[in-house]
Amino acid sequence: AQTVTQSQPEMSVQEAETVTLSCTYDTSESDYYLFWYKQPPSRQMILVIRQEAYKQQNATENRFSVNFQKAAKSFSLKISDSQLGDAAMYFCAYRSRSGSARQLTFGSGTQLTVLP
Amino acid sequence: GAGVSQSPRYKVAKRGQDVALRCDPISGHVSLFWYQQALGQGPEFLTYFQNEAQLDKSGLPSDRFFAERPEGSVSTLKIQRTQQEDSAVYLCASSPRTVPEDTQYFGPGTRLTVL
Repeated sequence: AQTVTQSQPEMSVQEAETVTLSCTYDTSESDYYLFWYKQPPSRQMILVIRQEAYKQQNATENRFSVNFQKAAKSFSLKISDSQLGDAAMYFCAYRSRSGSARQLTFGSGTQLTVLP
Repeated sequence: GAGVSQSPRYKVAKRGQDVALRCDPISGHVSLFWYQQALGQGPEFLTYFQNEAQLDKSGLPSDRFFAERPEGSVSTLKIQRTQQEDSAVYLCASSPRTVPEDTQYFGPGTRLTVL
C-alpha cells in the first residue's frame, strides 16, 4: 500500500515571499502520479499541480512549481510571490497509474498562513 | 459549467439515526469517488463507481456504510445507525473517464456531526 507523509502541519509565509511545502511518499510502483491540492476554508478541494512520475522535468503552473525527486520519493511544492489568496490547507496526493486502483491517497495536510 | 454539488452541506444526526448524503457529479463524468475527511486530516478513500458499477468499496469502514449510483449519475452515500466516529466531512469527486491521468473534481463536502 502507498503512504503519503506531510511532516509540516503548519507553515507561514510573508506576502510576496516564497515558501516550500514538503511531501514524501512510499510506494513499490514505478509509474504513478503525484498531486498537490489546495483546500480553502470553503472546503472545495482544488487541483494546484500534477506530476507524472515518468517525466523527469518538474511541473510548473504559474507561481507554483514542484521539486520531484523520484529516487528519494520526495515531492515538494514551491509557491513564489505568495498572495493572501494562497492561504489554505495543502494536501499532497498519490495515484497509481497501473492496475485498477483509481483513488487518491492523501497526506495529512499542511496549513499555510500568508501574513500581510 | 456546473461543478460537483453535494447536499446537504451540513447534517446533524443523533446516534443511531440513518443518514443519506447526495452527490451530483459533473454531467457526463464516468468516474465517481467518495472520500471521508476527519477533522484535521486528509481525505480517505471510501468507494469508487464507474458509471453505475461500484468497482471498489474497499474503503468503506463497516457494513453500516452503503453507496449507490443506480443510473450512473447521482450517487448517494448512506450510513445506517450512525455512531460518533462517523462524524467527518464526506467528499465526493468525479472525473470524466476512467483513466488515471484524469483530474478528480471535488464537491464542497457534507459535514456530518453525530451527537
